[in-house]
Amino acid sequence: QKEVEQNSGPLSVPEGAIASLNCTYSDRGSQSFFWYRQYSGKSPELIMFIYSNGDKEDGRFTAQLNKASQYVSLLIRDSQPSDSATYLCAVNDYKLSFGAGTTVTVRA
Amino acid sequence: DTAVSQTPKYLVTQMGNDKSIKCEQNLGHDTMYWYKQDSKKFLKIMFSYNNKELIINETVPNRFSPKSPDKAHLNLHINSLELGDSAVYFCASSQERINRAGGETQYFGPGTRLLVL
Repeated sequence: QKEVEQNSGPLSVPEGAIASLNCTYSDRGSQSFFWYRQYSGKSPELIMFIYSNGDKEDGRFTAQLNKASQYVSLLIRDSQPSDSATYLCAVNDYKLSFGAGTTVTVRA
Repeated sequence: DTAVSQTPKYLVTQMGNDKSIKCEQNLGHDTMYWYKQDSKKFLKIMFSYNNKELIINETVPNRFSPKSPDKAHLNLHINSLELGDSAVYFCASSQERINRAGGETQYFGPGTRLLVL
């Protein structure tokens, strides 16, 4: 049974639109959550981390957490072609458990 | 300056061989990790060391043996390589060991692409 589930995509959005990525997790006791971005052939890099219910904004990125629903999402506003990448959701269970990632393509 | 470095970047070898991957971080971090990313991009932790002490040892075949000579280095030795070991292996580091509510950023190395023929 997978611990962290993401839609694998690909998610295709036009430039300037909002990309919405979803992630669900199975451990109700999980407390902190991460979004990593991975460009093709490159290593993952941290975008955001969230631990409180609600929204957390950083530039064009907004993470949303709903612990009751065991759901965390990432919104990318004003999507740019440079946002085309795979986005990995990770849950902290004393180790990072990653989802399979959602591939996002921003078309110009 | 490279923060987390790995050697080699590419490794092509025959089944049954033994190989090692090396990792070094110059960030002064206490904790290092090995991850395996398979062809479907699924990233899974294998091991973690904190100040040379093994703290995470996931269900990994005992053909895989990590070694941390000091807190800046974490190596991975693989015996009797199998086709299924083909993957990208990432080393990562963080300032401290992860705790339940923590937001420790993990910094990943560039990866070692292993292909077993």
